[in-house]
Amino acid sequence: KAGVTQTPRYLIKTRGQQVTLSCSPISGHRSVSWYQQTPGQGLQFLFEYFSETQRNKGNFPGRFSGRQFSNSRSEMNVSTLELGDSALYLCASSLGSAINTEAFFGQGTRLTVV
Amino acid sequence: TQLLEQSPQFLSIQEGENLTVYCNSSSVFSSLQWYRQEPGEGPVLLVTVVTGGEVKKLKRLTFQFGDARKDSSLHITAAQPGDTGLYLCAGDSGGGADGLTFGKGTHLIIQP
Repeated sequence: KAGVTQTPRYLIKTRGQQVTLSCSPISGHRSVSWYQQTPGQGLQFLFEYFSETQRNKGNFPGRFSGRQFSNSRSEMNVSTLELGDSALYLCASSLGSAINTEAFFGQGTRLTVV
Repeated sequence: TQLLEQSPQFLSIQEGENLTVYCNSSSVFSSLQWYRQEPGEGPVLLVTVVTGGEVKKLKRLTFQFGDARKDSSLHITAAQPGDTGLYLCAGDSGGGADGLTFGKGTHLIIQP
């Protein structure tokens, strides 16, 4: 079955702009989580969506937001981009149950802010 | 805030050697997962350990979950160049609502 698909793979934006990243989860998975990965901080949890509702949120400013559609596809948006937002943004899909939280990651979107 | 400390941060060894990577926390996790990530790719799940004291083997890789479910180790026997990558441990605090807590990873290089 198809894996997790993230688009675009690479993106270059200017400070102050906004950006939208997309994630299509594995068919049947209802949970989509977003992570930011940087060399200094590693993988940090942004938020999780389950059945179109944000179920949990990490410690990131309000400039980072997301949403999930009825087909479980998810988007995340970053407004007023800062240089420090340059990172690999990873989306992970899972069944979303309390029993099984195994996450399957996409290849990520490499965002560079200049 | 739950933290997972991984050690060593970097490891470079010769093909054929054995190695162990550690993942430690002061917090208890309901399960712990190990991932491997290659450059330019997302992490790939290797194994999930759930029960304290549990040992799982995946070919030359042996994963162990501590009795108190606060720590874990990954042992690789007879390392091969194909084992090169970033190894990440991730803890689940339970309920699936807090997201996975990731360690910063161990960068492993196996030289031919």
